[in-house]
Amino acid sequence: DAGVIQSPRHEVTEMGQEVTLRCKPISGHDYLFWYRQTMMRGLELLIYFNNNVPIDDSGMPEDRFSAKMPNASFSTLKIQPSEPRDSAVYFCASRPGLPNTGELFFGEGSRLTVL
Amino acid sequence: GESVGLHLPTLSVQEGDNSIINCAYSNSASDYFIWYKQESGKGPQFIIDIRSNMDKRQGQRVTVLLNKTVKHLSLQIAATQPGDSAVYFCASGEANQAGTALIFGKGTTLSVSS
Repeated sequence: DAGVIQSPRHEVTEMGQEVTLRCKPISGHDYLFWYRQTMMRGLELLIYFNNNVPIDDSGMPEDRFSAKMPNASFSTLKIQPSEPRDSAVYFCASRPGLPNTGELFFGEGSRLTVL
Repeated sequence: GESVGLHLPTLSVQEGDNSIINCAYSNSASDYFIWYKQESGKGPQFIIDIRSNMDKRQGQRVTVLLNKTVKHLSLQIAATQPGDSAVYFCASGEANQAGTALIFGKGTTLSVSS
């Protein structure tokens, strides 16, 4: 089992550029989550999907952020246009459906720096 | 709103000592709690969990205690080792609600000196 795979691991971009982060969840997991981690705010839930359908996107900071899950094995988080305050580590996590053991399996994260 | 927080952002211990990391939560509906460990440059990893029908659960060198009356939980690490140095997060959720996500606290950085 390869675990949750995220790419890129590191991204440095300039303000105003489009950023796309990618995630491949663990095969067979019904839920996929995007979290953002900063020193100030800790781990914040941005959005999560169940069976490829977005369930709760209330954590998405602004319209500049969008997430998609076109199939069970792939999800993207896009920021357009990016701003310096978007600099953070973005984590993707997945878990099976019910019974909900609650355990999330995290990827290694994508560290984004917006200059 | 719902929140999960830790009492201390940092904790420094000597190798071999026992460590106790504390966490408070606000959502009375939370019935499931997890502790995660995050090493530098990596994603959080599951350590141990506990459900609200329990007040204590033990793993290998770790024990989680839950006090629902005061909405507090703690993680105890016995005989702390340098490899335990990491950031520790508590998280809460509703186990029977498939459509809910874990809410994480901000983390406590544990530093173990030998």
